[in-house]
Amino acid sequence: AQSVTQLDSHVSVSEGTPVLLRCNYSSSYSPSLFWYVQHPNKGLQLLLKYTSAATLVKGINGFEAEFKKSETSFHLTKPSAHMSDAAEYFCVVSDQGQGGKLIFGQGTELSVKP
Amino acid sequence: DGGITQSPKYLFRKEGQNVTLSCEQNLNHDAMYWYRQDPGQGLRLIYYSQIVNDFQKGDIAEGYSVSREKKESFPLTVTSAQKNPTAFYLCASSARQGMNTEAFFGQGTRLTVV
Repeated sequence: AQSVTQLDSHVSVSEGTPVLLRCNYSSSYSPSLFWYVQHPNKGLQLLLKYTSAATLVKGINGFEAEFKKSETSFHLTKPSAHMSDAAEYFCVVSDQGQGGKLIFGQGTELSVKP
Repeated sequence: DGGITQSPKYLFRKEGQNVTLSCEQNLNHDAMYWYRQDPGQGLRLIYYSQIVNDFQKGDIAEGYSVSREKKESFPLTVTSAQKNPTAFYLCASSARQGMNTEAFFGQGTRLTVV
């Protein structure tokens, strides 16, 4: 079975500084990986996805993530945080063994200080 | 506009009542999903459907029921058998259930037992 672990439940950064949200995955197959963002009391929005093409994936709002097979990681980064980035972020793996069922991490809450 | 519509946004239920949450999509997606979100627990899959008139239990189906009579609609009923129904419920859809296929989410329904 595949799984995903988000290493930090909460990350706090200052506006204009870099963001790093960490995600490790466990998979017996070549995985499909996603990052979603959720603002309070809202649905989830896709930030980016990795589907075995380029290992560095660019997403919306200046976010990007790098797939590292040797480290089984898919960390999300952004060079400069904006106040509007404050939200909860979910790392997600698609489970090949269950027909592509999405497996969610526990989420990382990002706070951005002025 | 294409998308997923959940209603109502807020719902209050008395003990012992059944309530139904609505989910409609106009994206022509085959697969639809219901997730439950509790603080600090990420998203947990309740039920999913890959095709009309067919659905499967997810990880936490007890106390819930669904139907898929139309491609566009996937209502969720929270029955009185669900011991702790207070949560945020998210509906999602995807073009198909499979690898490399991201899900699109509605804005959620917050259910509170009073």
